[in-house]
Amino acid sequence: SQTIHQWPATLVQPVGSPLSLECTVEGTSNPNLYWYRQAAGRGLQLLFYSVGIGQISSEVPQNLSASRPQDRQFILSSKKLLLSDSGFYLCAWSVRIAAIFNYGYTFGSGTRLTVV
Amino acid sequence: GENVEQHPSTLSVQEGDSAVIKCTYSDSASNYFPWYKQELGKRPQLIIDIRSNVGEKKDQRIAVTLNKTAKHFSLHITETQPEDSAVYFCAASPPPNFGNEKLTFGTGTRLTIIP
Repeated sequence: SQTIHQWPATLVQPVGSPLSLECTVEGTSNPNLYWYRQAAGRGLQLLFYSVGIGQISSEVPQNLSASRPQDRQFILSSKKLLLSDSGFYLCAWSVRIAAIFNYGYTFGSGTRLTVV
Repeated sequence: GENVEQHPSTLSVQEGDSAVIKCTYSDSASNYFPWYKQELGKRPQLIIDIRSNVGEKKDQRIAVTLNKTAKHFSLHITETQPEDSAVYFCAASPPPNFGNEKLTFGTGTRLTIIP
């Protein structure tokens, strides 16, 4: 069966420090991968998604970046964190096959980032 | 691109009563509509989904209806229980093609079940 791993679970970082969050998927090949951010009590904001190695689509211009160095690995990074980067970061994957319908996401357990 | 509106933003119902959450979408090409439940501090989890080739789908106490003409879909929870308290998100997606491999989420409904 497929599983998605996301770490760390919680992170407290000072303003101006770098960030690296990692997400890996097991039990599937060539998944679509996504990074979402959720501010406290708010909705799901899509940050980046990827349909293949090295293919990254950015949804929101900001000081974050994403990379997909391997088929089942998705990394979210920042060179210098801002206070506004605090939030709950969720990685997700979905099946990617030639079809007329998209498929639902499976979310990772999330990383709660607090920038201080 | 797709825009999904969700109502109400908060909903309180007595235990045992029914709850209905409604969403509208803008892109007539959208054909996949999942619903997610997010408990406090947890990840969103898919609870039910519907594709445009059906008008209704049911899974025990949960049902989803789709009106393609009006471009709206709804989540119905019957015989509500305390464990149904959570934030619910609807989403919509067009066919996967050239940058459409993503869901557009509604803003969420905080459902509270009153014992």
